[in-house]
Amino acid sequence: AQKITQTQPGMFVQEKEAVTLDCTYDTSDQSYGLFWYKQPSSGEMIFLIYQGSYDEQNATEGRYSLNFQKARKSANLVISASQLGDSAMYFCAMRGGSGNTGKLIFGQGTTLQVKP
Amino acid sequence: DAGITQSPRHKVTETGTPVTLRCHQTENHRYMYWYRQDPGHGLRLIHYSYGVKDTDKGEVSDGYSVSRSKTEDFLLTLESATSSQTSVYFCATLNTDTQYFGPGTRLTVL
Repeated sequence: AQKITQTQPGMFVQEKEAVTLDCTYDTSDQSYGLFWYKQPSSGEMIFLIYQGSYDEQNATEGRYSLNFQKARKSANLVISASQLGDSAMYFCAMRGGSGNTGKLIFGQGTTLQVKP
Repeated sequence: DAGITQSPRHKVTETGTPVTLRCHQTENHRYMYWYRQDPGHGLRLIHYSYGVKDTDKGEVSDGYSVSRSKTEDFLLTLESATSSQTSVYFCATLNTDTQYFGPGTRLTVL
């Protein structure tokens, strides 16, 4: 069975510092995708970054990068130069399974608080 | 990003009443999804659709039904609401490899 694990319920980071949010996954599929979403206190789900299982380079989107270590089955999100607006809950998710239906399995989330 | 709206945005109802939540998209995406979000569980898939009148169950489908009579609309129905269905419900559509989410509906069942 597929599973996503986020072991950090809450994290603090000082403004302008970098922070890593952990995500490990379990799947027997060869083809899968890994995603990170941000959920601010207003409640919407915002797509941040995507990594395909066959992508050899780590994905980057502005201040976000995904540290993809396939052998360790980890897909950590790195946020560089944290800003106050980065305070939110962050979800790691995986797409996989047969049929290419796009279904996602989510982790439980990590709450990040950025301190001024 | 996918022009997704959900209605209503908030609803309070009583146990045993039927409830229908609507998801509307403007981008003609084929795949649509309903998730629920509860504390400690992240988001869990209820049902999804891969085309008009084509739907399938997700992880937590008991007590829910869906319908998709038009590409742009995906309805989630609670036939007889229970307190355990108090949750935030998100609709999503699939654009290439990525799901984009609607704003969510907060449902309270008393």
